[in-house]
Amino acid sequence: DGGITQSPKYLFRKEGQNVTLSCEQNLNHDAMYWYRQDPGQGLRLIYYSQIVNDFQKGDIAEGYSVSREKKESFPLTVTSAQKNPTAFYLCASSPTRTAKQFFGPGTRLTVL
Amino acid sequence: DQQVKQNSPSLSVQEGRISILNCDYTNSMFDYFLWYKKYPAEGPTFLISISSIKDKNEDGRFTVFLNKSAKHLSLHIVPSQPGDSAVYFCAASATNFGNEKLTFGTGTRLTIIP
Repeated sequence: DGGITQSPKYLFRKEGQNVTLSCEQNLNHDAMYWYRQDPGQGLRLIYYSQIVNDFQKGDIAEGYSVSREKKESFPLTVTSAQKNPTAFYLCASSPTRTAKQFFGPGTRLTVL
Repeated sequence: DQQVKQNSPSLSVQEGRISILNCDYTNSMFDYFLWYKKYPAEGPTFLISISSIKDKNEDGRFTVFLNKSAKHLSLHIVPSQPGDSAVYFCAASATNFGNEKLTFGTGTRLTIIP
């Protein structure tokens, strides 16, 4: 069953704690992306990676970090430096030869 | 600087009628456009796309129109069904060669009234 998995679906953390969101894909896609969705603001790009061991900042990278050690995995760490971390986080991947991206189910992070 | 704009946050349409969702863009480098559908607490799913060399693309009940000179695209859904109630995002890319960033609009919430 090919697809993108994100875990957990819901995540709660105390203010000041770092938290890592998981994203795994078995579609053999080269590129992977992290977006954040806030009400009324659409999807904003946090980080993206076009190939293993390489990644670039998106439009709102401050307070976030990523790694891409394996093709299948692209975890996102929300650090304590992120001022408004409560949001719905979406991971996506895309194959070569198309701009079409495929999305995971998302993780809702709530920082208390 | 919002490069992709969806100026209608919400739209209500009677079941069976046509739904028209609009999207405007400002970056003339955008060359490929996509529409995604999203249900609450789920990831977006791809609906339909169009390249800038075309002005229309159809897939079943869904048609996307592109007016490059006006930097405007629209998604038509005919006939509208209750399951079409969702948030629709348009997105744009500089190419369709792959591994490209997408720029998303803010979305339009479509409600189909039975």
